[in-house]
Amino acid sequence: GAGVSQSPSNKVTEKGKDVELRCDPISGHTALYWYRQSLGQGLEFLIYFQGNSAPDKSGLPSDRFSAERTGGSVSTLTIQRTQQEDSAVYLCASSTRQGQSSYEQYFGPGTRLTVT
Amino acid sequence: GESVGLHLPTLSVQEGDNSIINCAYSNSASDYFIWYKQESGKGPQFIIDIRSNMDKRQGQRVTVLLNKTVKHLSLQIAATQPGDSAVYFCAEIFTGGGNKLTFGTGTQLKVEL
Repeated sequence: GAGVSQSPSNKVTEKGKDVELRCDPISGHTALYWYRQSLGQGLEFLIYFQGNSAPDKSGLPSDRFSAERTGGSVSTLTIQRTQQEDSAVYLCASSTRQGQSSYEQYFGPGTRLTVT
Repeated sequence: GESVGLHLPTLSVQEGDNSIINCAYSNSASDYFIWYKQESGKGPQFIIDIRSNMDKRQGQRVTVLLNKTVKHLSLQIAATQPGDSAVYFCAEIFTGGGNKLTFGTGTQLKVEL
């Protein structure tokens, strides 16, 4: 089966514009995560969706960042009024809670966002 | 996805030698740990995991050691190959706190022929 996919693979935007990043998790995975990988910060958690539960938004850096997950599958990460410090690779991961024999998260290839 | 220009610690090894990559984790309550490998332009790829009730786990050519007393993880790669060249991250999870991964800084492994 297909792995986690993300689109676009690259996005260049002007400062102040809004961007939307998309994640298609592995079919059947109930948990979906967004992480950011940026210069000097490594990989950092942004937000986590688990089934129908309220998302864990504790990693979102500001109120310009939001995410939704429709129908328990596809997720969109939205960044409003982008700033240059938002430039990073945005990674999506999914995992299954069934059985919980493993907490392995499967990552997509990421979206490289460049804010000019 | 790739490590975007971080000044990462680098480990250089000769092909065929064993590699040991170390990681210090931060949360004493973390009870599950994963090692990931990230090649340039790709997302992190699962290598091996270990629960906090274990101190050693072996996979194919890889072994993870966990020392909870000093909050230290290591990844040992036997007979390192050129294809092992990548950035390696340890990640910790507190499974009672939502399963989000907290990543270490990462180590760049370079395999010299």
